[in-house]
Amino acid sequence: GAVVSQHPSRVICKSGTSVKIECRSLDFQATTMFWYRQFPKQSLMLMATSNEGSKATYEQGVEKDKFLINHASLTLSTLTVTSAHPEDSSFYICSVPGGTNYGYTFGSGTRLTVV
Amino acid sequence: GENVEQHPSTLSVQEGDSAVIKCTYSDSASNYFPWYKQELGKRPQLIIDIRSNVGEKKDQRIAVTLNKTAKHFSLHITETQPEDSAVYFCAASMKGAQKLVFGQGTRLTINP
Repeated sequence: GAVVSQHPSRVICKSGTSVKIECRSLDFQATTMFWYRQFPKQSLMLMATSNEGSKATYEQGVEKDKFLINHASLTLSTLTVTSAHPEDSSFYICSVPGGTNYGYTFGSGTRLTVV
Repeated sequence: GENVEQHPSTLSVQEGDSAVIKCTYSDSASNYFPWYKQELGKRPQLIIDIRSNVGEKKDQRIAVTLNKTAKHFSLHITETQPEDSAVYFCAASMKGAQKLVFGQGTRLTINP
């Protein structure tokens, strides 16, 4: 099956700084990747669709200038949380469609804590 | 866009009994319906999925049923065991690398 690597697994940053999260598809090319955010005891909420070579598509209510997405290659998408605030503290996880006709492979997730 | 509703939010059953979790979806174009189990702080794990050309699928103690007309699908776990305790999510998407939309989740507790 597909293998997706996400880094870092945990990060603590100070308010006002930026944090970059990487999602790599290790064994197949991914023209599309999805970024989700999950607050404690809540569901996975889709933030944006990362498109290789073009702009990301953001879900309603997600600030594109705050959550910068770059998908410069077929194996790597990055999510940068800019000017982070404590309310951005959450579990961020990427997902890559592929491996089977319908399947999705998830990264291991990144626990972001903003202090 | 697609909207997935999941019920109940919490479910507690006695070990050995069956558990049923139900989801409805809004977009009739959706044709892929996976179920995930998520441990705290971990990625979702696919436990079973079903495509819209199938009405039911079973894998040992786990089964999923799909009613396309009513736009709902259900997860059935039989002979529940303590290790089945977790949060379960349903989801829906369309074919072709389309985004996967999740339900709100169900916290299942199996009581010994």
